[in-house]
Amino acid sequence: EDQVTQSPEALRLQEGESSSLNCSYTVSGLRGLFWYRQDPGKGPEFLFTLYSAGEEKEKERLKATLTKKESFLHITAPKPEDSATYLCAVRFSGAGSYQLTFGKGTKLSVIP
Amino acid sequence: NAGVTQTPKFQVLKTGQSMTLQCAQDMNHNSMYWYRQDPGMGLRLIYYSASEGTTDKGEVPNGYNVSRLNKREFSLRLESAAPSQTSVYFCASSPQGGEGRNTQYFGPGTRLTVL
Repeated sequence: EDQVTQSPEALRLQEGESSSLNCSYTVSGLRGLFWYRQDPGKGPEFLFTLYSAGEEKEKERLKATLTKKESFLHITAPKPEDSATYLCAVRFSGAGSYQLTFGKGTKLSVIP
Repeated sequence: NAGVTQTPKFQVLKTGQSMTLQCAQDMNHNSMYWYRQDPGMGLRLIYYSASEGTTDKGEVPNGYNVSRLNKREFSLRLESAAPSQTSVYFCASSPQGGEGRNTQYFGPGTRLTVL
């Protein structure tokens, strides 16, 4: 059973059409939730870290929010350059607590 | 400030050959990591080093060894490559403590094909 689930797997948006990506997690003892952007052929690029429910972070057209069991990445008026795969990762307390558990990502395509 | 660098960028091996993937970071981070990324599987942790002088197994360590050479460098070795090790390998590093605690910063990756 996946501990971190991202949905949808793929999303196509028209330029300017706002939407949200979801990341849900099933274990307790959250010690951080991380959002990354990954372009084809590149390494993941750090976007946000959220540590507690109710926390929000913003960067340009992106806004990340966190509840007790999920996080949303809201994209407002996206542009074609926002096309990428967005990865969510979670750090849990306990054994192996340095580890991040990654979701499989949401591939976002923004059409001009 | 180059961040995390990895060499080589691409590599093709034959089954049974060995090789070492190199990683270096110039951000004075204590912790370093090796991941592999396969289609449909997401990023999976192979090994990590919480600090200089320590290494620990991650989720998928079989077939790999690591060396934390100093604070900057963390290498991954495949002693006898297998086709199942065809993947994209990413190195990452993270600070301990402070505002950016545990945030991992990734290198550009090494694309490895084992024939």
